[in-house]
Amino acid sequence: GAVVSQHPSWVICKSGTSVKIECRSLDFQATTMFWYRQFPKQSLMLMATSNEGSKATYEQGVEKDKFLINHASLTLSTLTVTSAHPEDSSFYICSARRGDREGYYEQYFGPGTRLTVT
Amino acid sequence: GQNIDQPTEMTATEGAIVQINCTYQTSGFNGLFWYQQHAGEAPTFLSYNVLDGLEEKGRFSSFLSRSKGYSYLLLKELQMKDSASYLCAFMDSNYQLIWGAGTKLIIKP
Repeated sequence: GAVVSQHPSWVICKSGTSVKIECRSLDFQATTMFWYRQFPKQSLMLMATSNEGSKATYEQGVEKDKFLINHASLTLSTLTVTSAHPEDSSFYICSARRGDREGYYEQYFGPGTRLTVT
Repeated sequence: GQNIDQPTEMTATEGAIVQINCTYQTSGFNGLFWYQQHAGEAPTFLSYNVLDGLEEKGRFSSFLSRSKGYSYLLLKELQMKDSASYLCAFMDSNYQLIWGAGTKLIIKP
């Protein structure tokens, strides 16, 4: 159990357009979801933390108006990259922490979405 | 403040044993995680230690010493498929994961 899916797995878009990435927990309820960005040969960088039904908490330096996060249900969170630019090209990974087990803090990662902005 | 440190790269031989160290500093601690990440893929969970001592899981073992702010991941009987980056991360007092930069493990035949 504890599977997280992401869609799409890769996307190519033109500069100035917006891209939406979906993250779903398939077999558990995720009270908290995390969005990470990873550039080649670098570690994970946490972008934001979202709790179901409330506004996301963004890390310092991450523009909340550019990276829109919606955690509308216990199984779905979306990240929308608005007005994408080539420097936004990266590997975006979501993770989910289940809320149905007391004291269980493992994060389950989605397979990632590779975004290329041309 | 908080920080976490692990070696950038290590090389080992197929069939051998390798130990990847991780040191951390934090005022609030709720456990330490190890994840494996193959190139171009998302991380996958390996282990979670919240108490001192060694946790063994097949060929992989993880050790934690909270008083020393130290953990290691031990990989035995190395296989070529173990070539990957290994990420350590501790969970702080807000239950957020603070990630190390990862250790790239290269396995040679």
